[in-house]
Amino acid sequence: DAGVIQSPRHEVTEMGQEVTLRCKPISGHDYLFWYRQTMMRGLELLIYFNNNVPIDDSGMPEDRFSAKMPNASFSTLKIQPSEPRDSAVYFCASSPRGDKNIQYFGAGTRLSVL
Amino acid sequence: QKEVEQNSGPLSVPEGAIASLNCTYSDRGSQSFFWYRQYSGKSPELIMFIYSNGDKEDGRFTAQLNKASQYVSLLIRDSQPSDSATYLCAVRKSGAGSYQLTFGKGTKLSVIP
Repeated sequence: DAGVIQSPRHEVTEMGQEVTLRCKPISGHDYLFWYRQTMMRGLELLIYFNNNVPIDDSGMPEDRFSAKMPNASFSTLKIQPSEPRDSAVYFCASSPRGDKNIQYFGAGTRLSVL
Repeated sequence: QKEVEQNSGPLSVPEGAIASLNCTYSDRGSQSFFWYRQYSGKSPELIMFIYSNGDKEDGRFTAQLNKASQYVSLLIRDSQPSDSATYLCAVRKSGAGSYQLTFGKGTKLSVIP
């Protein structure tokens, strides 16, 4: 398996623009997680899904952030409008059902909002 | 108090020495504890996890857990320059259905040849 695939790897945008980050989990994994990593706050869980259903979105910083998982092989994290403080590395991770102990991380998307 | 705390480092050790990384957590109901390694510019990768008090060994790595003190540590024996990375401690919240992990900010380890 190719692992968790994220796109784009790098994104540079201007303040106010819409940004969409994409994630393809490992085939057969039932859980999908979106994280954000910054120097100041470390690695934070934003939202996670089980079988395409959002389970906990309490980590989503504000209404500008939204996430969807229309099917088992694809998820998006959207920021609209983007702000400079959204600059971070965004990771997607997935876990198989029945194994809470392993989360496989994608390579991440480095977002810069100018 | 932050949920998961780690000394940010950097922690520098000579090659061949034992590196000791420490982590404390605030939620007494936490059940499982994880150590991830993250190389600069890369994604976190799981090294090992522990859920019972005591030690758990995997090759050169030993995780130690003391739930009474709310303390977990990672020992790396015979440290190699390739071990130079940031080590993230993570805790899974209590609750049978919980898949969520809370991460510390990480400790940067430098192994000096």
